[in-house]
Amino acid sequence: EPEVTQTPSHQVTQMGQEVILRCVPISNHLYFYWYRQILGQKVEFLVSFYNNEISEKSEIFDDQFSVERPDGSNFTLKIRSTKLEDSAMYFCASSGGQGIYQPQHFGDGTRLSIL
Amino acid sequence: AQSVAQPEDQVNVAEGNPLTVKCTYSVSGNPYLFWYVQYPNRGLQFLLKYITGDNLVKGSYGFEAEFNKSQTSFHLKKPSALVSDSALYFCAVRDDNQGGKLIFGQGTELSVKP
Repeated sequence: EPEVTQTPSHQVTQMGQEVILRCVPISNHLYFYWYRQILGQKVEFLVSFYNNEISEKSEIFDDQFSVERPDGSNFTLKIRSTKLEDSAMYFCASSGGQGIYQPQHFGDGTRLSIL
Repeated sequence: AQSVAQPEDQVNVAEGNPLTVKCTYSVSGNPYLFWYVQYPNRGLQFLLKYITGDNLVKGSYGFEAEFNKSQTSFHLKKPSALVSDSALYFCAVRDDNQGGKLIFGQGTELSVKP
């Protein structure tokens, strides 16, 4: 069964540094998402992406965050200047369509630790 | 605004007994509801969804969920629990806005003991 893959599985970064989280969505999917889960808290939506542009973003997704689909297969989340509170598990998801019948499929996540 | 609530942080069940993980929702329009399971160090795996139609929805690994409009609930059930069902379970509602994001409950940890 096709899977969403995320790299790296764990990223440790100094506060203030830039970090790029990478995702390879399922190949024929068209809609892409990033979510995050701070330890012990619920999964929170960050951003959705379709047709090479952001469809929707949450309040968390401020100017320090950006997303890109650089080559038609990868989907990246960049945090320009990381803060301690960015420490979390980041999940990428994709779906075959935006329709209500399409479930989102999640990767195994990247654990981001900011020191 | 759409929201879901999972009133129990943890559910403990003996193997072979039926299990229920509770979820209630609040939506402004039609509810599009999902259950996901998360095993340790893994992502969220889709279990089942309710879009329309029969109130009893069947999903993966023998799980099912009952949609109850009057009680605004979407409880996850399984007739006979397995130790391997022990995991974190999330209820979610799909937002009606253009992005189609999922809004998750806080999660319920299911522990099945032999």
